[in-house]
Amino acid sequence: QLQLHESGPGLVKPSETLSLTCTVSGDSITSTSYYWGWIRQPPGKGLEWIGNIYFSGSTYYNPSLKSRVTIAVDTSKNQFSLKLNSVTAADTAVYFCARHVRDIGYNSGWSSFDYWGQGTLVSVSS
Amino acid sequence: QLVLTQSPSASASLGASVKLTCTLSSGHSNYAIAWHQQQPEKGPRYLMKVNSDGSHSKGDGIPDRFTASSSGAERHLTISSLQSEDEAEYHCQTWATGLVVFGGGTKLTVL
Repeated sequence: QLQLHESGPGLVKPSETLSLTCTVSGDSITSTSYYWGWIRQPPGKGLEWIGNIYFSGSTYYNPSLKSRVTIAVDTSKNQFSLKLNSVTAADTAVYFCARHVRDIGYNSGWSSFDYWGQGTLVSVSS
Repeated sequence: QLVLTQSPSASASLGASVKLTCTLSSGHSNYAIAWHQQQPEKGPRYLMKVNSDGSHSKGDGIPDRFTASSSGAERHLTISSLQSEDEAEYHCQTWATGLVVFGGGTKLTVL
């Protein structure tokens, strides 16, 4: 059964870099059928897409975060990672990783997220 | 601009049915969306994907009580025979080339 597990520091200081890792088990991150994504949810708010990566290393980012985000993949460890630099209190959120279906039936080439991790809370505070 | 709009809250009685709505922005009425359920203190769970023609495909293990439909720019999720565990936040999601968008979520209370 597919499982995704987020890990990383729960507290980051303002202006520093937030770093998280998603470990995938039950599926290979090199599957050609999926992308892998990061999504966040500030306290009491809705979901916000951060970005996706394909196992080849191709990345896609939310335009509103693009200047601060880097997503990378480590196929040898079946993991992908998120780095968000220059964080502020507004980046405090629960961060989720998820599997994103590659779907040639749509012009975009992808469709829905179909499996999610349980999320990890990252607080930005001095 | 691709935007999804959801009512912030909804409520219905135990055993009853409820219809949640996600509305696509102008010019995007032919887009498909997906519904995700997020129970308190948990990660989201994929429910199903619904196309503009109302055809839909469910995630693994999603009960028949959950169905989806479409009408113009509106995408609906209907939950019948409401159970206490259906009390959750329901998020809709859509997609375009190089872009993923979520609605604001609807918090469903089961009375």
